[in-house]
Amino acid sequence: GAGVSQTPSNKVTEKGKYVELRCDPISGHTALYWYRQSLGQGPEFLIYFQGTGAADDSGLPNDRFFAVRPEGSVSTLKIQRTERGDSAVYLCASSYHLGEQFFGPGTRLTVL
Amino acid sequence: AQTVTQSQPEMSVQEAETVTLSCTYDTSESDYYLFWYKQPPSRQMILVIRQEAYKQQNATENRFSVNFQKAAKSFSLKISDSQLGDAAMYFCAYRSRSSGTYKYIFGTGTRLKVLA
Repeated sequence: GAGVSQTPSNKVTEKGKYVELRCDPISGHTALYWYRQSLGQGPEFLIYFQGTGAADDSGLPNDRFFAVRPEGSVSTLKIQRTERGDSAVYLCASSYHLGEQFFGPGTRLTVL
Repeated sequence: AQTVTQSQPEMSVQEAETVTLSCTYDTSESDYYLFWYKQPPSRQMILVIRQEAYKQQNATENRFSVNFQKAAKSFSLKISDSQLGDAAMYFCAYRSRSSGTYKYIFGTGTRLKVLA
């Protein structure tokens, strides 16, 4: 079956703009995770959904970042008033309940 | 809080030779998972091997094996018979099994170069 997909693959935006990054998890996976990977670093946890609800959002850096998963499948990570420091690869992963996480190819966000 | 440390930013190995990547971690928990992930330039994180902390036996997957030293909080990855396709970033990761949080905590990675 299909793996985790993320769109867009690359996103270039200007400082101050709003962006949305989409994640389509593996069909049937109940848990969904967002991570941010800055250049030269390992991925850092942002938020985790179990079903439709955010079970752990302790990694969101500030209130400009928000994520939703309204129907318990697709998730959107939303970033308001983007800053140059938000430039990174945003990775999504999904798992069946709390099992192994399968990662998508990421969205590379560049804020000019 | 848990931390994962990879002290080797870059390693090189000759094709067909063996290389070991180091990882140490810090935790007060006794029940957890440890992982090694491979990330090629495509950015896709690929699971290489997984170790459950309660299992004393070291995990092995074909040419990949780990040396898990729980008391020392060390989790190294050995790649035998290295192939050109093994060249990538390798990340060590930790996941709690008992604290109710299921996020992965990653190290900063080791770039592996395989020389022909």
